[in-house]
Amino acid sequence: DIQMTQSPPSLSASVGDRVTITCRASQSISSSLNWYQQKPGKAPKPLIYAASSLQSGAPSRFSGSGSGTDFTLTISSLQPEDFATYYCQHTYSSPPWTFGQGTRVEIK
Amino acid sequence: EVQLVESGGGLVQPGGSLRLSCAASGFTFSTYWMSWVRQAPGKGLEWVANIKEDGSQRYYVDSVKGRFTISRDNAKNSLYLQMNSLRDEDTAVYYCTKERLRSLDYWGQGTLVTVSS
Repeated sequence: DIQMTQSPPSLSASVGDRVTITCRASQSISSSLNWYQQKPGKAPKPLIYAASSLQSGAPSRFSGSGSGTDFTLTISSLQPEDFATYYCQHTYSSPPWTFGQGTRVEIK
Repeated sequence: EVQLVESGGGLVQPGGSLRLSCAASGFTFSTYWMSWVRQAPGKGLEWVANIKEDGSQRYYVDSVKGRFTISRDNAKNSLYLQMNSLRDEDTAVYYCTKERLRSLDYWGQGTLVTVSS
């Protein structure tokens, strides 16, 4: 199975900061990479699909890039409502489709 | 408006069984793959299983193969997860999700399954 590794596991940032989260796959997954945001006690929300396409309803300050094994999620200007945990997930070829372990974004 | 509402969670003893249900509305259920994703307390997300639009293909994570069965009833707009031989490590919130373009674009609120004696 393909393993997904996110870094960093957590980060502290201030409102207005540019934030980047990295996700690395154990083998090439083309552009089959999605990003989700989860707040405590809530279901995850989709942000990015196919590595760089913004999900309907997701704010435009979120962007994704990468292909092959290395991917990034960027928040261009961190807002108070963006403090949450972010997960990547591959959907390459046949399942199982694994998630990264998550990156917690905290207030500095 | 798309809605996914899970039910059927609860407390069950190790080795027991439970059937989760997910009632879908607001979209043409029969034309989308559906998935179950779970999250153990304080842990990350784990993809569990998915099923094709017509039920003809099903996939599972290795840890549940032979114990869990995903199914659907398109006439009732419902998704199911039959869980047998439950273990402590199956304790989690289970989310029903809709797939689109190989991403999970809608999630239910989740139902908690607790496996404990």
